[in-house]
Amino acid sequence: SQQGEEDPQALSIQEGENATMNCSYKTSINNLQWYRQNSGRGLVHLILIRSNEREKHSGRLRVTLDTSKKSSSLLITASRAADTASYFCATDSNSGGSNYKLTFGKGTLLTVNP
Amino acid sequence: DADVTQTPRNRITKTGKRIMLECSQTKGHDRMYWYRQDPGLGLRLIYYSFDVKDINKGEISDGYSVSRQAQAKFSLSLESAIPNQTALYFCATSAERVSGSTDTQYFGPGTRLTVL
Repeated sequence: SQQGEEDPQALSIQEGENATMNCSYKTSINNLQWYRQNSGRGLVHLILIRSNEREKHSGRLRVTLDTSKKSSSLLITASRAADTASYFCATDSNSGGSNYKLTFGKGTLLTVNP
Repeated sequence: DADVTQTPRNRITKTGKRIMLECSQTKGHDRMYWYRQDPGLGLRLIYYSFDVKDINKGEISDGYSVSRQAQAKFSLSLESAIPNQTALYFCATSAERVSGSTDTQYFGPGTRLTVL
């Protein structure tokens, strides 16, 4: 079953606008990560936020984490056509002992129109 | 050169055939993973390995097997391919954080597999 669920499933905006994507998860986490995937390509890591962090920035990206609501948001400011991609959140879970693995959501497809 | 490579990049095969997908990495990571991606379903974990002697089933391991030949190599096999295994397959690697949580994963370019 999916741990993380992104919302919305698809988002279409104009270049220059901000894009916000949300992720909700079900169980306690150590960290939450956001990845980007261009069509048919491998995923690329964007940012990692730990459970004891509330906000993190990287360039035009801003990620927030609310562990009480089990949710995270990814904000892309001043979007560009090149930001068109699918965005996935991923949470780590304890699979027993000291082993950890990521569980990915279904993704948000962002389209930035020129 | 890419840090995580997958071969082949595209493969068309027939039902019942055995097929192997290979993954190699030059990042020196101990942890390796195989995922499949289907439209609308995101990525699902098939198998993962935290070192050469460690193999673990993911959420959808039925119909698949893996081999960790070396730290740098992790292969996924479909013993008898079936059409619903048609998907995009990704290999990924990660380092182990001292704290035990999951580090960033680095993905290969993917293998597009079609089973007729």
